[in-house]
Amino acid sequence: AQSVTQPDIHITVSEGASLELRCNYSYGATPYLFWYVQSPGQGLQLLLKYFSGDTLVQGIKGFEAEFKRSQSSFNLRKPSVHWSDAAEYFCAVVTHSGYSTLTFGKGTMLLVSP
Amino acid sequence: DAGVTQSPTHLIKTRGQQVTLRCSPKSGHDTVSWYQQALGQGPQFIFQYYEEEERQRGNFPDRFSGHQFPNYSSELNVNALLLGDSALYLCASSSTDRGAEAFFGQGTRLTVV
Repeated sequence: AQSVTQPDIHITVSEGASLELRCNYSYGATPYLFWYVQSPGQGLQLLLKYFSGDTLVQGIKGFEAEFKRSQSSFNLRKPSVHWSDAAEYFCAVVTHSGYSTLTFGKGTMLLVSP
Repeated sequence: DAGVTQSPTHLIKTRGQQVTLRCSPKSGHDTVSWYQQALGQGPQFIFQYYEEEERQRGNFPDRFSGHQFPNYSSELNVNALLLGDSALYLCASSSTDRGAEAFFGQGTRLTVV
């Protein structure tokens, strides 16, 4: 069965600094990969997705992620963090079942310091 | 486009009671999935409905059941509530024509006391 690991429970970044959130997946073939963001008490908003093709994908709000098959990773990056980026970030994977069933990591809480 | 809508937004129930949560999918979507998100955890897949049938199910007991209506809306029912059922319940909709991308509602916060 597929699994997703987000090794960092909390990360604190200064406003304006760069950000990288780590995500590793376990799956035998190339999965569909996603990053979602969740503000407190809210639902999940899709930041970006990787299905195939170019391994560097661009998303909303200035985020990007790079798929590295050799490392089974899909890390999320942003060159300059804004205070409004403080939220919880979830990496998720879908197998090529066509059923769109997501397996999520435990999430990384991003704190932004002034 | 209203997106995925869920009702109610908050709910308080007593142990042993039953609860029904509702979800209307995004326009054009025919598949509805339900997730449970406990405090401090990632969402866990409960089940998925397509063409009014349960198509996939996660590792949840039979106390959790659902239904999908001809207009693609869905209900999640939980019987014999336990304190551990307290969580944010998220509904996600998707389209079989558009592959794996799922859109989430704002969730229903269920508190069992």
